[in-house]
Amino acid sequence: DSGVTQTPKHLITATGQRVTLRCSPRSGDLSVYWYQQSLDQGLQFLIHYYNGEERAKGNILERFSAQQFPDLHSELNLSSLELGDSALYFCASSGTGRLQNEKLFFGSGTQLSVL
Amino acid sequence: AQSVTQLGSHVSVSEGALVLLRCNYSSSVPPYLFWYVQYPNQGLQLLLKYTSAATLVKGINGFEAEFKKSETSFHLTKPSAHMSDAAEYFCAVSDNAGNMLTFGGGTRLMVKP
Repeated sequence: DSGVTQTPKHLITATGQRVTLRCSPRSGDLSVYWYQQSLDQGLQFLIHYYNGEERAKGNILERFSAQQFPDLHSELNLSSLELGDSALYFCASSGTGRLQNEKLFFGSGTQLSVL
Repeated sequence: AQSVTQLGSHVSVSEGALVLLRCNYSSSVPPYLFWYVQYPNQGLQLLLKYTSAATLVKGINGFEAEFKKSETSFHLTKPSAHMSDAAEYFCAVSDNAGNMLTFGGGTRLMVKP
């Protein structure tokens, strides 16, 4: 158990809908990262938050947004969903967000299926 | 921008045989390199990382990797494969500020009895 909790584990929805994925980092970790894993794109970095502030942004679509709350949990919001958004979404956390010196702890992911 | 390329999306070895998973990186500065493993239905776990202290890095579960600057490689090896090593392995590189990891496409390791 990595200590990172993601909910829900599975999500099935329809095109055009909006969903929210939730992540609770390990106790004491200030940084949260979101990754998308799909068969055709592999593991894609979406966004990194440190102590409530956005620190880095990757290949995140404009239809997607994220935030980190004062209690350090994070939410990833996906809107106007398309079939191609079907993927496994991972959240990871680390202590300070300086990945040269520490490792990422990954949650088990949320499997999103858009029908 | 940093990137990593993993050669071979699937590798199959017999139990007890040498495991070699290949990773080449592209970076304009000395890189921070990592290997992560993903077991079925789980998130990724760190196997080992290179941070310039030593070129041969030992990780968990008997894995090790050697950083070769001249070849821009960071291949993962294990002398003797176990059935429990069957998983997907990802090579990754950190950006300069350590704000994100960029992962390679992954290599699925299959171990035959």
